[in-house]
Amino acid sequence: EVQLVESGGGLVQPGRSLKLSCLASGFTFSNYGMNWIRQAPGKGLEWVASISSSSSYIYYADTVKGRFTISRDNAKNTLYLQMTSLRSEDTALYYCARHDRYNWVMDAWGQGASVTVSS
Amino acid sequence: DVLMTQTPVSLPVSLGGQVSISCRSSQSLVHSDGNTYLHWYLQKPGQSPQLLIYRVSNRFSGVPDRFSGSGSGTDFTLKISRVEPEDLGVYYCLQSTHFPPLTFGSGTKLEIK
Repeated sequence: EVQLVESGGGLVQPGRSLKLSCLASGFTFSNYGMNWIRQAPGKGLEWVASISSSSSYIYYADTVKGRFTISRDNAKNTLYLQMTSLRSEDTALYYCARHDRYNWVMDAWGQGASVTVSS
Repeated sequence: DVLMTQTPVSLPVSLGGQVSISCRSSQSLVHSDGNTYLHWYLQKPGQSPQLLIYRVSNRFSGVPDRFSGSGSGTDFTLKISRVEPEDLGVYYCLQSTHFPPLTFGSGTKLEIK
């Protein structure tokens, strides 16, 4: 069974940093691109960042470019999102999602990690 | 960036009924490889999104045939027939043709009439 489990969320002050992790199991992690998607309270889904299977290709939404860094450790089956210079508008539930490269679709999602940016 | 417009925002339905959700893109979603990368998700209350339909009309594993997707170019539709209580939630369309970025529709909330 494919499982994605996010961790590392919490309450953080504006301007500070936080690092999310997503532990994958049930599939060969190193064969799949991965994504971070977020959802602000009561709002819709927003793509944040993507990384290819070997980390060769990395992309960011304009809203986080220069502040967030996506990375992965295939030996540990883990995806990361380093978030710096956090703002109140970054408050959201952050999902990691697996990328099906044949159909260009996210076919498995974690349960999400909650990030609240507030003083 | 491609703008995805979903209508309606809210969709009251009677159990057993049929509904359609529209998703329109600001530019054609036909990729140079000939495929159209338009997908549909359902987010049930308190849950993460789950894939329903990929590439316009292909049902994902385990998705009942009550769900069907259609459309082309810039105009797409998700149809749900014989609505059941487990179908309630928010439906999102997603385009990945013009990636990056990935862009979602704003969502359609399916609720009981």
